[in-house]
Formats: sequence, C-alpha cells, structure tokens
Amino acid sequence: EDQVTQSPEALRLQEGESSSLNCSYTVSGLRGLFWYRQDPGKGPEFLFTLYSAGEEKEKERLKATLTKKESFLHITAPKPEDSATYLCAVQARYGGATNKLIFGTGTLLAVQP
Amino acid sequence: EAEVAQSPRYKITEKSQAVAFWCDPISGHATLYWYRQILGQGPELLVQFQDESVVDDSQLPKDRFSAERLKGVDSTLKIQPAELGDSAMYLCASSLGPRDLRANVLTFGAGSRLTVL
Repeated sequence: EDQVTQSPEALRLQEGESSSLNCSYTVSGLRGLFWYRQDPGKGPEFLFTLYSAGEEKEKERLKATLTKKESFLHITAPKPEDSATYLCAVQARYGGATNKLIFGTGTLLAVQP
Repeated sequence: EAEVAQSPRYKITEKSQAVAFWCDPISGHATLYWYRQILGQGPELLVQFQDESVVDDSQLPKDRFSAERLKGVDSTLKIQPAELGDSAMYLCASSLGPRDLRANVLTFGAGSRLTVL
C-alpha cells in the first residue's frame, strides 16, 4: 500500500535557526513527490515537484531533495512568515488517467522572532 | 493569477441535514478533484473527474456523498444526510489533462469548512 510518513509532527524554531523536515514514502512506482505549504484555514499551496532520486529544487529559503526512500525539505535561516504546515505527497504510476496525490499528515512549523 | 474558486467558505449544519459545496476550477483544467481534510491530517481524495467522467471514487462514501461535473467545468459535492464525523475541510483542486507534462501539479482552492452539530 502506498504510504507517506512525515516527521516531526511539529517543529518550533527560532528565527534564523536552520532545520530539515523529513518525508519517507513507500510507493509502487514513483511518478512524482510534491511539497505543499498550507496556512491555517487555507488550501495547500504548491512548492516543489521532484521526479527522481538525486534531484534538488530551491525556492528562497527552502530546498527540497529526494532519495529513493525519502525527501527532505531544508529551511535555511527561517523567518516568522515561514510558519505553516508543510505537506508532502506522492503520485504513483497507476494505470489509467488518475493523478491522485497521497498526502502525509504534515509538519507544523512555527518560527519565533 | 488563476485560482480555483470554492463556496461556501464556511458551513454549519445539523446532523441529518443536506449540504452542498461548489467548485469552479482553473479555466482549461480538464481534471478536477475533491479532497477531504480532517483537522490535523493530510488531505484524502474523495473523487476525481476527467472532464465530466469519474475516474476514481473509491474513497467516496456513496451512501451519503455524491459528486457531479455535468458539463466538464464546475462541480458540486453533496452530502445527505450529514453526520458528525463529516466535519472537515473540503478541498477542490484542478490540474491540466493527463497528456500535459505538468498534468500532475494540482492547484487547490481555499476550501469549504464544514461543521456538523
């Protein structure tokens, strides 16, 4: 069964204190791994898609990496506005037209000034 | 920037009542998804449409939930009767059709928060 596990469940950082969020996955065949950011009461906002092991993508203070079993979201010198829930999701190589994403439970990040 | 529109943003209802949610995807997006997100959990797919056809409704509780996308554009998700356990955020998302290279990037709406009393 395809599954996504994120850790830690919650993380509190001081402004400027770098850290990493983990996403481990099992999937029959990976089509893509996604990172989304979700602010309270809002829908998820797309950040990155990674397609193959060794791939890395960056956006401002965020950098996502991918191995065959897990992905990391590195946050460098975070600011309070980076506070949000970060969701990881995988898309499997199913037959047919389905593109559904299987999500983890997320990591709630709080960055204190 | 194009957005996925959803309404209502908030809905409070009593159990056994009927509720309906509406979604208007990004123009040109052939694929539409309804997800349910319980507080503290990740979104879970309820139903996926390709144009007006359902391609995945394996997790949709069909005894009380129904979804339609009659003209292949906007969509309605209905719950009848609502139960206490249905309290959640209902998220609509859309993406380009499966033949597009970026087909797998889903854009989400702001969601509809349902509270069942």
